[in-house]
Amino acid sequence: NFMLTQPHSVSESPGKTVTISCTGSSGSIASNFVHWYQQRPGSAPTTVIFEDNRRPSEVPDRFSGSIDSSSNSASLTISELKTEDEADYYCQSFDSANHNWVFGGGTKVTVL
Amino acid sequence: QITLKESGPTLVKPTQTLTLTCTFSGFSLSTTGVGVGWIRQPPGKALEWLALISWDDDERYSPSLKSRLRITKDTSKNQVVLKMTNMDPVDTATYFCAHTSSQDFDYWGQGTLVTVSS
Repeated sequence: NFMLTQPHSVSESPGKTVTISCTGSSGSIASNFVHWYQQRPGSAPTTVIFEDNRRPSEVPDRFSGSIDSSSNSASLTISELKTEDEADYYCQSFDSANHNWVFGGGTKVTVL
Repeated sequence: QITLKESGPTLVKPTQTLTLTCTFSGFSLSTTGVGVGWIRQPPGKALEWLALISWDDDERYSPSLKSRLRITKDTSKNQVVLKMTNMDPVDTATYFCAHTSSQDFDYWGQGTLVTVSS
């Protein structure tokens, strides 16, 4: 079955940039959209990027998404890091072969 | 606006069947392209997609849990029900329901914590 792999954690200082990867296990990650969610402790996930690189209107443009077909991965980049960006981030896509929804294992972002 | 809320028992015993209800507003499950999914999250662990039912009654299940799950909808009541059989302590988790109109989940309920213990 299709899987998405994320780094367990990343950390960076306020004002810096952090990038989280999300690597597909098989097939082409570009064949279905990748979405990114932010989850703060005790809260439900909220969307920060949908359809690879689109931002909901309420999400600041410090958040951006991209796809790299050569590495079969998607990335979420957060620039100008703020302490409020500390959270868990999950990528999610769709396994067309099995018609399943798939989440990555999540990445904890720490703003030092 | 779209809202969803999960309800059900907070505590179930091992081997019992869990029944969770997602009550929603702001959309209709008879609208083309709309679906409601269930996702769970064990304490301190990652999100796991469980099941999804679509506007056209199509049902999809996680391959690893398919034999234990059943998802149904009541369009007139704006509810989606998830049943999970043979509960085990490893099924202890917060269970979320969420709305989709494509392949992402754009609106989520607050989640409900279910503990499996004797």
